[in-house]
Amino acid sequence: SAVISQKPSRDICQRGTSLTIQCQVDSQVTMMFWYRQQPGQSLTLIATANQGSEATYESGFVIDKFPISRPNLTFSTLTVSNMSPEDSSIYLCSAGEPGTGGTHEQFFGPGTRLTVL
Amino acid sequence: SQKIEQNSEALNIQEGKTATLTCNYTNYSPAYLQWYRQDPGRGPVFLLLIRENEKEKRKERLKVTFDTTLKQSLFHITASQPADSATYLCALDTGGFKTIFGAGTRLFVKA
Repeated sequence: SAVISQKPSRDICQRGTSLTIQCQVDSQVTMMFWYRQQPGQSLTLIATANQGSEATYESGFVIDKFPISRPNLTFSTLTVSNMSPEDSSIYLCSAGEPGTGGTHEQFFGPGTRLTVL
Repeated sequence: SQKIEQNSEALNIQEGKTATLTCNYTNYSPAYLQWYRQDPGRGPVFLLLIRENEKEKRKERLKVTFDTTLKQSLFHITASQPADSATYLCALDTGGFKTIFGAGTRLFVKA
């Protein structure tokens, strides 16, 4: 299993500014993911972050808006750039180890609640 | 594209009863399907995985079924307790270890 922490837990930001969210895992993991979740809505995958390579973004999400770093096997950051009120959401980091026969379980952080004014 | 449908209405049941939650998907059958629990202000926590060639999986008071003909999974909690109150998310494999999540169903268990 893995324990994941995120910082900050919440923030209120002004339009046009950027916020970097940090995700720390207590063990080395192959894959890390960043999700967005509106209240009462499903988790939407933003990108997959693999160490040593560029992040892979899902449709509707671009690197200029959501740059991601993955400097090692226990840490990742997501930046929300040039924020607008539409970016207000909960941002969740997760980690997992792929492998056939496994549970494909993802471990999630507690989330970062972002409000953009 | 694959879509997941979970009952958006909250499910209210009495303690001790069996709660049954439904997950329907619209497109291809995934290699596996997962159920997660999410409490307010927290990230989802993995509960169970069931593969496409499995009909049923059990873990303590939890039971999951997977019907690829109906494109449906049912999630049962037997002898439910107030502590089981949470939102339960269904998640489908889309390949490459990526999953898509349903919006979840809120369960309230009354004492």
